[in-house]
Amino acid sequence: GAGVSQSPSNKVTEKGKDVELRCDPISGHTALYWYRQRLGQGLEFLIYFQGNSAPDKSGLPSDRFSAERTGESVSTLTIQRTQQEDSAVYLCASSSWGQGSYEQYFGPGTRLTVT
Amino acid sequence: QKEVEQDPGPLSVPEGAIVSLNCTYSNSAFQYFMWYRQYSRKGPELLMYTYSSGNKEDGRFTAQVDKSSKYISLFIRDSQPSDSATYLCAMSKGGGNKLVFGAGTILRVKS
Repeated sequence: GAGVSQSPSNKVTEKGKDVELRCDPISGHTALYWYRQRLGQGLEFLIYFQGNSAPDKSGLPSDRFSAERTGESVSTLTIQRTQQEDSAVYLCASSSWGQGSYEQYFGPGTRLTVT
Repeated sequence: QKEVEQDPGPLSVPEGAIVSLNCTYSNSAFQYFMWYRQYSRKGPELLMYTYSSGNKEDGRFTAQVDKSSKYISLFIRDSQPSDSATYLCAMSKGGGNKLVFGAGTILRVKS
């Protein structure tokens, strides 16, 4: 079946502009995660959604970052007033409780460049 | 100090070699341990997972966890040029918790 999809695949924006990144999880997956990967580094957790529970926002680096998810479907990550240090690949992953939370399936990522 | 430490490499080996990739960690609460493979400009792909201590084998890949030493390993036998990628270790406390990743080791297998 279809995997996790993300859009856009690449985004170039000017410093100070807002950007919105989209993630479509695998159908039926109740858990959705956002991570950030800076050049040459590992993945950094941002936020986690599980069903109708309150999201775990503990990884969001500042109040310029926010994310939403409607039910068990699409999620959007919004970065307001982008800064150059926000340049990174933003990865989304989803998992199913039936399989155990360790099986996180990743999308291809959105490469964000802030000029 | 980072919670998960991983040598970034690059590690360069000849085709057919046995590859050993390692991570150390500091948080004894981690229960699930994973290895992901990431090709250039792609998302990470789950290779192996292990719960608590022990070994797990899948084809040419073997994952080992030693919780007493806070040390995990991934072995690749008969390495192939197609194994050239970045290998990321990751771990979690379980129960839907976030994954904490190492920085990734770049592996190059030369034919």
